Amino acid sequence: GENVEQHPSTLSVQEGDSAVIKCTYSDSASNYFPWYKQELGKRPQLIIDIRSNVGEKKDQRIAVTLNKTAKHFSLHITETQPEDSAVYFCAAIEGGGADGLTFGKGTHLIIQP
Amino acid sequence: DAGITQSPRHKVTETGTPVTLRCHQTENHRYMYWYRQDPGHGLRLIHYSYGVKDTDKGEVSDGYSVSRSKTEDFLLTLESATSSQTSVYFCASSQLNTEAFFGQGTRLTVV
Repeated sequence: GENVEQHPSTLSVQEGDSAVIKCTYSDSASNYFPWYKQELGKRPQLIIDIRSNVGEKKDQRIAVTLNKTAKHFSLHITETQPEDSAVYFCAAIEGGGADGLTFGKGTHLIIQP
Repeated sequence: DAGITQSPRHKVTETGTPVTLRCHQTENHRYMYWYRQDPGHGLRLIHYSYGVKDTDKGEVSDGYSVSRSKTEDFLLTLESATSSQTSVYFCASSQLNTEAFFGQGTRLTVV
């Protein structure tokens, strides 16, 4: 099955700076890579996703890059704001897709004022 | 938010008792999932369903069973609750290879 590794487990950045979270996956057949944000006591919610036929995707201050050859993908947040403080999860789904997302262990992003 | 709800939201139960958690979605999604969330472990898949009466085991299925008699409902049962099953449980639903929408979560404490 799929295995997703996520780093770092905690990331502290100054407000206004950029944050980068990295993930690797094991199954070369995986073709869908979402990122979820989870605020304290809330449910995980999708913030951006990328498919294997695309190398990069942007949505305002958030971008995701995918390197299929190296089997890694990254989340980039620019101009960080206090409301970006949360736990972020990367995930991957195998080509068939029916057996659910495999999640990384999460990154606790702390935005320092 | 997508129409996916879990019940109960909080439950305290005694070791050895059976517990059933309910998930209901109104999105007509084919796929439904149960995850548990524990500090340091992220979200781990317990069981999933790819259609009515079609279910399969995930990464941490021991001690859990599921049933799906209707598209909209997915039940998770702990046959005999243990303290190691104290966790936050999330249900999710999706179509194939698309965004998974999560319920609000159920905080289960086994004493």
